[in-house]
Amino acid sequence: AQSVTQLGSHVSVSEGALVLLRCNYSSSVPPYLFWYVQYPNQGLQLLLKYTTGATLVKGINGFEAEFKKSETSFHLTKPSAHMSDAAEYFCAVSDPGNQFYFGTGTSLTVIP
Amino acid sequence: GAVVSQHPSWVICKSGTSVKIECRSLDFQATTMFWYRQFPKQSLMLMATSNEGSKATYEQGVEKDKFLINHASLTLSTLTVTSAHPEDSSFYICSAVDRVRPDSPLHFGNGTRLTVT
Repeated sequence: AQSVTQLGSHVSVSEGALVLLRCNYSSSVPPYLFWYVQYPNQGLQLLLKYTTGATLVKGINGFEAEFKKSETSFHLTKPSAHMSDAAEYFCAVSDPGNQFYFGTGTSLTVIP
Repeated sequence: GAVVSQHPSWVICKSGTSVKIECRSLDFQATTMFWYRQFPKQSLMLMATSNEGSKATYEQGVEKDKFLINHASLTLSTLTVTSAHPEDSSFYICSAVDRVRPDSPLHFGNGTRLTVT
């Protein structure tokens, strides 16, 4: 069975500061891992994904995430936060049948 | 890129009426579509998996007679909330799997905000 845990339902950072959103997963098979961003009243937009290969994955808008199997983690980072990064972020794991399991989300606030 | 269109983006209906939400894959074919429900400030909850030409598979606790799903073509799935009640008010999001590239990430619609008065 798959599951996702996102530590911290709310994260606040100053503009220009490092963004770190945490995600841990459990999976009985090699996981596919994803980060999605959701703006108010909108659907989900894919930030980045890990399937196989390089464990450091770069996504859109300057975000990246590193798959650490030993820690069962897939934390999302961005070196310098921008005001436009304020949104809800979801970590997800999928199984081979493409069924997604989402974390509970982390709301990112960027303080000017 | 692959686009999933959801319609309507928001709808207000009276208690007891039915509401149909459409999910279309605009530039790809989708044999599988998923329907999610999202409560305020919460994550997405998978309601059902919709497969073209066959019955939908519902998650435990989801009433199939209340949330009717039809996936009549490779580009369209519909979710009908029957006899809606205020507790059905929520944000509903669909996603679709590209038939040609099943390993690619899901493509999500922009969601439908349903308010039942």
